[in-house]
Amino acid sequence: RKEVEQDPGPFNVPEGATVAFNCTYSNSASQSFFWYRQDCRKEPKLLMSVYSSGNEDGRFTAQLNRASQYISLLIRDSKLSDSATYLCVTSYNQGGKLIFGQGTELSVKP
Amino acid sequence: DAGVIQSPRHEVTEMGQEVTLRCKPISGHDYLFWYRQTMMRGLELLIYFNNNVPIDDSGMPEDRFSAKMPNASFSTLKIQPSEPRDSAVYFCASRKPGVGLAEAFFGQGTRLTVV
Repeated sequence: RKEVEQDPGPFNVPEGATVAFNCTYSNSASQSFFWYRQDCRKEPKLLMSVYSSGNEDGRFTAQLNRASQYISLLIRDSKLSDSATYLCVTSYNQGGKLIFGQGTELSVKP
Repeated sequence: DAGVIQSPRHEVTEMGQEVTLRCKPISGHDYLFWYRQTMMRGLELLIYFNNNVPIDDSGMPEDRFSAKMPNASFSTLKIQPSEPRDSAVYFCASRKPGVGLAEAFFGQGTRLTVV
């Protein structure tokens, strides 16, 4: 079993739709959580960190449930440019290694 | 800052040959990571360094793989001998020390094909 598991996708949605991605992690010692975005044939880049109380950045909202070891990402009013693979990431020591989920592919259609 | 720099961007080699991948992290970043990405397995952490010292190499698949970080500005990942199943994109990433929510910055990757 992978340490970080995600919905495999792909998610195909129309422009303007709201889409949610889920992620579970198995290591209860995980301390830090992130969502990274990876465009086709490019390197992963940080989309947003995930704070314990949940956080929002424009159209993007991230939530963390430590009790259930569950992380989510909500994208509202999706744009064509949101098409990418979204990677759920955990880290269980300060500044240490990042554990990536398999990624969820999102395709936003006109 | 130029970001994390990897070379070469693409490498095609024959089975059995030695392959060396190179990485220059962002100045001031004390953590350096080597990842491998394939369609089947996603992003896998191979090894990471802190202050040039290898901390966790449990992801290194076999003895054919080795990594070094002789100084704060340079790291190599070597595969000897290479095999077709080593074909993947290899990413190097670096991160600032001591801050749990610090972003990891990735290089553009080396796309390795072993034929």
